[in-house]
Order: sequence, then C-alpha cells, then structure tokens
Amino acid sequence: DAGVTQSPTHLIKTRGQQVTLRCSPKSGHDTVSWYQQALGQGPQFIFQYYEEEERQRGNFPDRFSGHQFPNYSSELNVNALLLGDSALYLCASSPAGETQYFGPGTRLLVL
Amino acid sequence: QQQVKQSPQSLIVQKGGISIINCAYENTAFDYFPWYQQFPGKGPALLIAIRPDVSEKKEGRFTISFNKSAKQFSLHIMDSQPGDSATYFCAASRDAGNMLTFGGGTRLMVKP
Repeated sequence: DAGVTQSPTHLIKTRGQQVTLRCSPKSGHDTVSWYQQALGQGPQFIFQYYEEEERQRGNFPDRFSGHQFPNYSSELNVNALLLGDSALYLCASSPAGETQYFGPGTRLLVL
Repeated sequence: QQQVKQSPQSLIVQKGGISIINCAYENTAFDYFPWYQQFPGKGPALLIAIRPDVSEKKEGRFTISFNKSAKQFSLHIMDSQPGDSATYFCAASRDAGNMLTFGGGTRLMVKP
C-alpha cells in the first residue's frame, strides 16, 4: 500500500516565477493538507482540502493557492515566488477528522 | 494563542539513556497532541499521539506524559539508540484531522 507521494522531489525556480507541486494521498484518505517547512523549523500549516473545497487556511498570502481533484489528489500553486518561499513543502493526508500522515516533501529553492 | 513551545532545541544522550523532550501549549481548545520523528531529507513520521483524557501513553520505548493543568506534554524515549538520532517535533490541534501547530523541533543525537 503506497503512502503519500509527492512530485517533484526537488525544484529550482527564480524570483517571480510560478510553481505547481503535486500530492497523491494514501489510499482511503480523502483529506489533504499542505505545510511549509523552512530549514531548521517546524512545519507551518498552509491549507487543507476536503471534498474539493478549501476547508481551513493558515496565515499565508493569496499567492499560495491549491486544488483538490475528484480522486483526492491535490496541487499547491505558488505565484510570484520570493526568495523566502524556499522551503520543504509537505503534503499530509488523512481520512476526514483522523490522524495525518506526511509525504516525503518537495524541496523548493528560489534563486 | 496558537503557539507550541518545544525544548530543548538539541539533545545529546548516550546509548541506553533516556531522552526527554518537553512541549508547552497555550490554546486550551487543543485536544490532540502527536509527536513526529523526522530524518534528514524525509517527511515527518508519526510516532505516538495522546488526547487529554489520559495522562500517559506508552508504545514500545516511546512514552508521552500529559499534564492538562500545566498545559504541558513530554516525550520520553527509553533505552535510546543511535538509530533514534533525528529531529523530533511535538504538535497540537483541535482534533486529529485539523491543522497541526508544530513546535520548533529538537535535534536528538544518541552517541554509541
């Protein structure tokens, strides 16, 4: 049984560009959450998707947007990239209301 | 009110010793407290979690102690092994499926 998968594993972009990160949840999980983890810090919640709707949102600007598809997979989009957006982006999936399991993350470097 | 404070930032323990990591929270609405283990280049992996209706939960060498009145909880790793060397994060949320608020992390090194 595959766990949470994310693509790509690494990504390099330049300031001002746009990026799309992808997440496939664990089988049987219908809720997907996205977190940003800066180097040496704990993950910070970006938003959560359930039934293709954004259900909760953390303290992140509108440059961060997302989408959930009917098969429960999800995308995180970041527009107008800043140097400070360099981080490990983590996807976590869960059955609704239950424990979250994290994927390996996508390492984004903005130059 | 959403903060979770974790200490120490780093910890060195001899093989076979006990590793203790502490966390404190402010939001009394939190009712789910997981601990995650993260190795370099990997995502966090759930170790053990507790709800405030119990004061202690044990799974193998890992024990969570919970003090609701003090709004504190801690992770004890018994018989620490070099393979336990990793970064540990405490977290809290209103329920298991809601947004997790993480502590700053503790980098544990277990010396052989």
